[in-house]
Amino acid sequence: SQQGEEDPQALSIQEGENATMNCSYKTSINNLQWYRQNSGRGLVHLILIRSNEREKHSGRLRVTLDTSKKSSSLLITASRAADTASYFCATEGGGFKTIFGAGTRLFVKA
Amino acid sequence: DVKVTQSSRYLVKRTGEKVFLECVQDMDHENMFWYRQDPGLGLRLIYFSYDVKMKEKGDIPEGYSVSREKKERFSLILESASTNQTSMYLCASRWREGDQPQHFGDGTRLSIL
Repeated sequence: SQQGEEDPQALSIQEGENATMNCSYKTSINNLQWYRQNSGRGLVHLILIRSNEREKHSGRLRVTLDTSKKSSSLLITASRAADTASYFCATEGGGFKTIFGAGTRLFVKA
Repeated sequence: DVKVTQSSRYLVKRTGEKVFLECVQDMDHENMFWYRQDPGLGLRLIYFSYDVKMKEKGDIPEGYSVSREKKERFSLILESASTNQTSMYLCASRWREGDQPQHFGDGTRLSIL
């Protein structure tokens, strides 16, 4: 079963705009991760946020985590055409499994 | 940088064939994973190995087996390939301890005809 569910499924924006993607999950977690996947390639880890953290930044990326609502958001500021990719959230709740959502497809128009 | 290398980017096989997908990582990671990725379904875990010769079934192990004889190498085996195993296969590795991300290979797009 898929734990993380991303919203929206697809997002199209203009270069320079901000992109926000959301992730909801069902059970308690130890951490939540965001990955990026360019077409036809493997996933690349972007950022990991632990369950006791509320916000984390990395360059143009900002991730928030609300464990009371079981949700997270990924904000990409000042989007570039090169940000066009699929973005996945993934949750770990103990044990060895990392559960991935179905992803958000982001298209940034130049 | 961590490098996870999958032996083939594209592979075409016939139904009934035994298929081997190889994955090698160069960071001495204890944990290794095999996923398949299908449109709209995200990544589904096939098998996990937490150390040499150790393995655990994931969510969809049927029709697959794995081998981990050396720490750096994790092989996925399709015992008798079927058309419903046509998919993108992704290998990943990570450190065992703590909150650690997974490092992925570029994937093998496998077509079973």
